[in-house]
This record gives sequence, C-alpha cells and structure tokens, in this order.
Amino acid sequence: GDSVTQMEGPVTLSEEAFLTINCTYTATGYPSLFWYVQYPGEGLQLLLKATKADDKGSNKGFEATYRKETTSFHLEKGSVQVSDSAVYFCALTSSGGYQKVTFGTGTKLQVIP
Amino acid sequence: GAVVSQHPSRVICKSGTSVKIECRSLDFQATTMFWYRQFPKKSLMLMATSNEGSKATYEQGVEKDKFLINHASLTLSTLTVTSAHPEDSSFYICSARDTGDGGEKLFFGSGTQLSVL
Repeated sequence: GDSVTQMEGPVTLSEEAFLTINCTYTATGYPSLFWYVQYPGEGLQLLLKATKADDKGSNKGFEATYRKETTSFHLEKGSVQVSDSAVYFCALTSSGGYQKVTFGTGTKLQVIP
Repeated sequence: GAVVSQHPSRVICKSGTSVKIECRSLDFQATTMFWYRQFPKKSLMLMATSNEGSKATYEQGVEKDKFLINHASLTLSTLTVTSAHPEDSSFYICSARDTGDGGEKLFFGSGTQLSVL
C-alpha cells in the first residue's frame, strides 16, 4: 500500500538557517504530493503541492520538487523564521482527489532567535 | 478562507464512558468528511470517511461499533468513541472536503486529544 516516510524530529534551527525536511514515498501509479503545516493550536493547512513528476510546489518561501526517480518530495526553505515553528506533514493521494490521504509522521520544527 | 472547527480540543474521561467529538465546516458545505487518528510518533491514520446522509465507510481494522460516525448535515460530522478505554487515548483529527469554486480542497480541524483514565 501507499506510505510516506519523513525524517524524525524535532528539528531545531537558528533563525535564517537553511531548512530541509526529507520525505520519500511509496505509491502505485502517479500520486499527488503535499506538504501540510500545523501551527500550535491550529488545524493542518496545505502548504504546497505537486501533482506530477518534476513539478515544483512553492509557498511562503518553502519549496518542494516532485522527484519520481528518487520517489522524494523534500521540503526546503532558504532562511527560516521563528514564525515557521510548526509541525510539517508530508502526504500523498493516489486517486487524484482527496478520497484517501496518506500522511507521514510529521516533523516538528523549532526555530530559535 | 474556509475553516473547520473541531471540538473539544482536549477531553479527559473515565474508562467506560462515551465521548463525542464534533467537526463543523464553518463557511462551506461538506458532503464528505474524514476522521483520522494519530498515535505518538506515528502517521495520521484514516479511520473512516463520513458521507452526508449515508453510512460512514470505515478503514480496515477500525471497529464501527466502537467509533460511531454521524454526518447528519452538510456542515457537521460527529465521532463518538463508545465505552472508551485507555487504549483509545489518542489524537483525533477531522477534515472536510470542499468541492466548491476554485477546485477541490481539504481543510482540517485542530484536533482533539482524548485521554481515557
């Protein structure tokens, strides 16, 4: 079945540091890939997505590229801020819609001033 | 933007009691809502798909008599954990699918931490 593996946290970075959160997946066919973010006390929010190979999703300075050859969708940001502190979830859907979303375990990011 | 409200955010109950969790879509109609469960350091696991006006579809291994789902209106789905036991302690989160203008989107509630003593 489908699965998503992402790096364990927590990840602690200083402000303005470079961020990478690794995510790899196993899925049948051609899944759509997502990164969700959960700020303290809030629900998960869609951060970015990519629906086909070599697509790059980007939002709020975050980027992730759909790499089919390595089955990866790593999240990157060049310069993190304290406000980026949150839990980040990598996810996929195989069906093309939102019928069933498979999530990774989440990676907690803490950015310190 | 669209918001999903989930209540309560935290509940502590005694073993054997039932707990109801509500999930509301605040500014859109959701014919489909989803219920997830997350154990510490584990992925969010889909428990069931809640369809307005019909029976929920449960994932394999999820006890439908244990986790009762009701989706009686286009803006409300409820999950009732019946006769809760300590092993039911977990983080439960709902999501609602918006198929309105702008394409299909999925919005999540903020989750409910259930602790059964």
